[in-house]
Amino acid sequence: DIQMTQSPASLSASLGETISIECRASEDIYSNLAWYQQKSGKSPQLLIYAANRLQDGVPSRFSGSGSGTQYSLKISGMQPEDEGDYFCLQGSKFPRTFGGGTKLELK
Amino acid sequence: EVQLQESGPGLVKPSQSLSLTCSVTGYSITSNYWGWIRKFPGNKMEWMGYISYSGSTSYNPSLKSRISITRDTSKNQFFLQLNSVTTEDTATYYCARGTVFAYWGQGTLVTVSS
Repeated sequence: DIQMTQSPASLSASLGETISIECRASEDIYSNLAWYQQKSGKSPQLLIYAANRLQDGVPSRFSGSGSGTQYSLKISGMQPEDEGDYFCLQGSKFPRTFGGGTKLELK
Repeated sequence: EVQLQESGPGLVKPSQSLSLTCSVTGYSITSNYWGWIRKFPGNKMEWMGYISYSGSTSYNPSLKSRISITRDTSKNQFFLQLNSVTTEDTATYYCARGTVFAYWGQGTLVTVSS
């Protein structure tokens, strides 16, 4: 199985701050990476797919980048509604595997 | 708009089987892929498996001997059965569409306890 290592596990950001979350794959996943946001009590929402493609309806302050084994999610200007859990998913091989998640809080 | 809704018992006894239904509206399950994902206490997430538009299935090898995903196309539903559950199967179970999950159900908490 492809292992996904996500960091940091938790993050506290001020309003308007730019933050990044990283995921590292144990092998090349050829940009087959997605990012999700999950707010408390809600189901996950797809933010980014194919490493850098913004899902319809997702604010443009969210962006993804990376290639090979290293990927990142950037939020350019933290907003209160961005609080929640974030996790990555590799879509290169089955079984699909997830990163361990990042808890993002507003400072 | 596609919507998914999980249903099933919230409490299952150890050694018994866990059975969940995912009811889909707004999209036919004879198109695309339909999967089950679970989130454990502590937030680890695990892809469990999928059933495809043709009815073929793929399972996580970690579950392969215990899991079955089936469907009823007449009702536009698909199902999860997980056998011989233990307390470690306590999780929130989600159904989702696609191989990179753009649509999710709201999730259902299943507790395995005697």
